[in-house]
Amino acid sequence: NAGVMQNPRHLVRRRGQEARLRCSPMKGHSHVYWYRQLPEEGLKFMVYLQKENIIDESGMPKERFSAEFPKEGPSILRIQQVVRGDSAAYFCASSPDRGHSYEQYFGPGTRLTVT
Amino acid sequence: GNSVTQMEGPVTLSEEAFLTINCTYTATGYPSLFWYVQYPGEGLQLLLKATKADDKGSNKGFEATYRKETTSFHLEKGSVQVSDSAVYFCALNGNNDMRFGAGTRLTVKP
Repeated sequence: NAGVMQNPRHLVRRRGQEARLRCSPMKGHSHVYWYRQLPEEGLKFMVYLQKENIIDESGMPKERFSAEFPKEGPSILRIQQVVRGDSAAYFCASSPDRGHSYEQYFGPGTRLTVT
Repeated sequence: GNSVTQMEGPVTLSEEAFLTINCTYTATGYPSLFWYVQYPGEGLQLLLKATKADDKGSNKGFEATYRKETTSFHLEKGSVQVSDSAVYFCALNGNNDMRFGAGTRLTVKP
């Protein structure tokens, strides 16, 4: 059973370009979460999605960032007009259901560098 | 709201030393508690979990006990190895609302 897949693993963008990060959850998982990790820091929650719905986007910056999880295909985290401060590792996680006993399974991350 | 506080690092130990990484939490209700480990350049991997008070999670020689009376979930290992060098995150799930601690970097020297 394949784990959570993320691509690309590394992404370099110039300031002002767009970054698209993809996440395919584990088979059978319909809950997806995105986190950001700055160097030597912990994880910061960004957004929680179920198929075709954004459930909680309380951690998303109000501008330039958006996320989707369509009925078919991977979840996408989109960052428009990137700035140097967007450089970070972005992790996707998935879980099979909602509820406090469910752990989240993490992908290997996408490391975004903005030059 | 729910939150997790874990011991600040970095922690440096010699091989075969005893490890404790402290974790305390604040939560309403009855959360589940987790320890995750992150090796360099990788994502987080679940190390162990406990879903109710007095449960003990264990894996690969690591243990943690869910203590409701002290709101703690300290990670322990009796004899660490160089391969245990990583960053360890304590986490809490209240109701699909996962909260992570800041992480503790462990370095084990031969």
